[in-house]
Amino acid sequence: QKEVEQDPGPLSVPEGAIVSLNCTYSNSAFQYFMWYRQYSRKGPELLMYTYSSGNKEDGRFTAQVDKSSKYISLFIRDSQPSDSATYLCAGYKAAGNKLTFGGGTRVLVKP
Amino acid sequence: KAGVTQTPRYLIKTRGQQVTLSCSPISGHRSVSWYQQTPGQGLQFLFEYFSETQRNKGNFPGRFSGRQFSNSRSEMNVSTLELGDSALYLCASSLDGTVVSGEKLFFGSGTQLSVL
Repeated sequence: QKEVEQDPGPLSVPEGAIVSLNCTYSNSAFQYFMWYRQYSRKGPELLMYTYSSGNKEDGRFTAQVDKSSKYISLFIRDSQPSDSATYLCAGYKAAGNKLTFGGGTRVLVKP
Repeated sequence: KAGVTQTPRYLIKTRGQQVTLSCSPISGHRSVSWYQQTPGQGLQFLFEYFSETQRNKGNFPGRFSGRQFSNSRSEMNVSTLELGDSALYLCASSLDGTVVSGEKLFFGSGTQLSVL
């Protein structure tokens, strides 16, 4: 079993809809959680970064962490075609200083 | 401010050969990490270098090695290439590599390696 699991998608939504992305993780040692966006033929770029359970907002993006159920979510409001990309969640633990990524969910926002 | 630069962008090799990939981090960044990305396994951590020393290592065979130079530029080497080594190899840099401090990890666009 992978430490971080994501549905690969693709997830197709109409422009303006809310995109809802989820990850589950199995390693209780993860202290931080990140969401990255990766466009085709590009490296991942950091979108959101959370430490504790709860919600964190940044513009159109909201990240949720529920450590009790080992579940993390990313919501994108008012989605745009430019949001079409692969979204990767990742867990981080200080021991080893490395990120463990999920497989990514491909999102397609249709105009 | 220039981003993380990886060269070459594409590479085609045959089984048994060796390959060297290069990464130039953002100016001032001293930590360089390498990741392998494949459709089946996703993004997997290879190793991290900080101040010319390997600080952390993932679960890859010894055929995968790296080094970092005094100017923080890093190279990754894969010897005796196998078909399964075909992947996108990503390099990421940060100031000191400690994500705990909240600093970002900046990725390059990667080197797409195809092994025939």
